Amino acid sequence: EVQVVESGGGLVQPGGSLRLSCTVSGLSFTDAWMSWVRQGPGRGLEWVGRIKSKRSGGTTDYAAPVRGRFSISRDDSKSTIYLQMNSLRIEDTAVYYCAHIAWAPVAMNSWGQGGLVTVSS
Amino acid sequence: QSVLTQPPSASGTPGLWVTIPCSGSSANIGKNPVNWYQQLPRTAPKLLIYKNNQRPSGVPDRFSGSKSGTSASLAISGLYSEDEGDYYCAAWDDSLNAYVFGTGTQVTVL
Repeated sequence: EVQVVESGGGLVQPGGSLRLSCTVSGLSFTDAWMSWVRQGPGRGLEWVGRIKSKRSGGTTDYAAPVRGRFSISRDDSKSTIYLQMNSLRIEDTAVYYCAHIAWAPVAMNSWGQGGLVTVSS
Repeated sequence: QSVLTQPPSASGTPGLWVTIPCSGSSANIGKNPVNWYQQLPRTAPKLLIYKNNQRPSGVPDRFSGSKSGTSASLAISGLYSEDEGDYYCAAWDDSLNAYVFGTGTQVTVL
């Protein structure tokens, strides 16, 4: 069974930075494509971005609202991906989910429990 | 504002069925496979359908997906009260070079 666990959420001021971590077990992480999805308070799901496996180039793609401010990276030795969030805005306040992409391009079959990020002064 | 449009709500009677439409464009649904997610209250989303009509292991065959042109739909048959929640379509958008979710449909079992 695939398990996905996020960590690192919290309260940050506008303009600040925060890094989320996502550790995965139960699969061959080196072959895994991973994604981040967020959900603002009372809002729908919003895709944030994805990172492919190194064998697939290790490249990243991002949604327009976070492009240039957020970055996703991976450490295969720790079965972990990261979401580095810079220049945070109030509208980035959301629950952030990490998910394993089981079928390309982005069918996410295993999700973490979500971590709350609150951007507020 | 999403490029995939869904009705905000849908309802059905226990034991019967409900269909949720998802409207897109040639840049997303028209060219790429559609996925469907279920989000029950206060839980993480769950993949129900991938590649238009495929069910992951463990998803009951009460859930079925279809696609035609730039539209897709999810059908839920034999409705249970436990099916109440939010349902989202999603697809890759070649113009945005991004994955997009639909606006979401809240399903109520009457």
